[in-house]
Amino acid sequence: DQQVKQNSPSLSVQEGRISILNCDYTNSMFDYFLWYKKYPAEGPTFLISISSIKDKNEDGRFTVFLNKSAKHLSLHIVPSQPGDSAVYFCAASEGSYIPTFGRGTSLIVHP
Amino acid sequence: KAGVTQTPRYLIKTRGQQVTLSCSPISGHRSVSWYQQTPGQGLQFLFEYFSETQRNKGNFPGRFSGRQFSNSRSEMNVSTLELGDSALYLCASSPRTGGPNTEAFFGQGTRLTVV
Repeated sequence: DQQVKQNSPSLSVQEGRISILNCDYTNSMFDYFLWYKKYPAEGPTFLISISSIKDKNEDGRFTVFLNKSAKHLSLHIVPSQPGDSAVYFCAASEGSYIPTFGRGTSLIVHP
Repeated sequence: KAGVTQTPRYLIKTRGQQVTLSCSPISGHRSVSWYQQTPGQGLQFLFEYFSETQRNKGNFPGRFSGRQFSNSRSEMNVSTLELGDSALYLCASSPRTGGPNTEAFFGQGTRLTVV
């Protein structure tokens, strides 16, 4: 039973355009959400997070939106760059519990 | 500050054998978590150790075990290896001092192939 779902295994975007990666969750007790980026042959690296008391968090080109009523969050990358090509993992946690990860979305940004 | 170090980077084992993987967390981090990554399955949580005690455990069979030493270094052991255990095993460290969640820092992983 997947509590964190990333329904799109892959996404292809043109350089300069917006990339939108989506994530849905089922556990209403989740109160902290994170996005990680992973390049091949490397471990995931933390990208951005958001607490459930907020609905938006921005860091440079990366913005995460949280819609608690829909149990949905999304990561926006504007503008997308070829170096953003990677697998993006969404994760969610409840209190101090270990985050639960989604299966990842592979983003390809074409020059 | 040195990052999370996992050894070895690559490993090939035969079915039925056992394997031990090692993880050295970031200095000062007391929490070490282990994850298994397989194609299409994302990051599946194995267990977390904090101050030498297993604090959380995922849904993996008892063949998967771990431990943490007093210097926070951690080892993960898999006994009676099966072909399906072939995966990238990732270790993550974080302070996790009991306050709000903080992000975890991952190592590069150990790629285990069971033949």
